[in-house]
Amino acid sequence: KAGVTQTPRYLIKTRGQQVTLSCSPISGHRSVSWYQQTPGQGLQFLFEYFSETQRNKGNFPGRFSGRQFSNSRSEMNVSTLELGDSALYLCASSPGTGNYEEQYFGPGTRLTVT
Amino acid sequence: GNSVTQMEGPVTLSEEAFLTINCTYTATGYPSLFWYVQYPGEGLQLLLKATKADDKGSNKGFEATYRKETTSFHLEKGSVQVSDSAVYFCAPRPMDSSYKLIFGSGTRLLVRP
Repeated sequence: KAGVTQTPRYLIKTRGQQVTLSCSPISGHRSVSWYQQTPGQGLQFLFEYFSETQRNKGNFPGRFSGRQFSNSRSEMNVSTLELGDSALYLCASSPGTGNYEEQYFGPGTRLTVT
Repeated sequence: GNSVTQMEGPVTLSEEAFLTINCTYTATGYPSLFWYVQYPGEGLQLLLKATKADDKGSNKGFEATYRKETTSFHLEKGSVQVSDSAVYFCAPRPMDSSYKLIFGSGTRLLVRP
């Protein structure tokens, strides 16, 4: 099976702009989670989608949003970018049916805000 | 709340040395426990997992045992290789409705030839 793919791998944006990141989960997985990784805050949970519905959300401002399509692909959007949004954004997929199941991560999108 | 404490890094070892990376956690209910590894410039790879007390997860020579009484999930390897150099993350998954992993700060391992 193909793994989790994320596009683009690298992005450079300017403060105030918006950005959209994409994640394609493993075939058959219906849950997609997003995490932000920074040197200062480590790995933090953004949100999780299952069958096109957001099931959970972390403690991030409303500038961070996401959605999931009927084929389970997910996008996350960050509006009005700030310097502090520079980070590695990771998505992870899983079947989505239980807490015992592992999450499989993509390679990440490295976002740099200047 | 849910939290994870990992030993501070970096941990520097010589090749073939014994590795222990400590991890203790606080999590809702009876969590599943995972170790992930991150190589430079890459995403996270699942290393091993355990889902109930006294379960031992193992993979690629790494092992960790689910200790419910001490809420710990320490990672061990008997003989490390240079290729094991990476950052290791302990991550419980609480038994709540959040469906999220709780990550520790990560422990950087550097193995010298």
